[in-house]
Amino acid sequence: EAQVTQNPRYLITVTGKKLTVTCSQNMNHEYMSWYRQDPGLGLRQIYYSMNVEVTDKGDVPEGYKVSRKEKRNFPLILESPSPNQTSLYFCASSLSGGAGSYEQYFGPGTRLTVT
Amino acid sequence: QKEVEQNSGPLSVPEGAIASLNCTYSDRGSQSFFWYRQYSGKSPELIMSIYSNGDKEDGRFTAQLNKASQYVSLLIRDSQPSDSATYLCAVRADMRFGAGTRLTVKP
Repeated sequence: EAQVTQNPRYLITVTGKKLTVTCSQNMNHEYMSWYRQDPGLGLRQIYYSMNVEVTDKGDVPEGYKVSRKEKRNFPLILESPSPNQTSLYFCASSLSGGAGSYEQYFGPGTRLTVT
Repeated sequence: QKEVEQNSGPLSVPEGAIASLNCTYSDRGSQSFFWYRQYSGKSPELIMSIYSNGDKEDGRFTAQLNKASQYVSLLIRDSQPSDSATYLCAVRADMRFGAGTRLTVKP
């Protein structure tokens, strides 16, 4: 089954404790991205990757890191989480990025609470 | 600043009516446009994609694109209570989403 998976689905952590949210897709997609969703603000892009070893900042990259060492995986790293990073996070993938690109497929989401 | 704007709603329509959702965008270079549906607490799922000016129909859904006026709309005919969700407009060129319009279909 073609899908985007995220783990964990739910996470409660404390300020400053490093965490990683994993994202994996099995569709051989080149493009992957991370979004956070907060009430009233919609989906805001954190980071995206056009292909392996190619990543770039989205609209809200502060406090986050990513890496793309393999085509299928795109982990999101919070090295020192803060309460303002409490949010619902979505990973997404697409066949390709850029102007002539395709629809994105979303993972199930990770609800993160930082206390 | 490139932006995608939607009326946040909520939009309420009676069952069986036509729901009309609108989206405007600022980047004239945008070429790909998508409508996603998102149920509360769930991930967005694609409803329609549109790339050319005009209308595109898929079942009860019709997407309309007008690049000159920089707007894209989604019409839902014969609205059902199961259509109650937040609808997100996405403009692909720079991966931006609108904030979404919450639609409620009342039985």
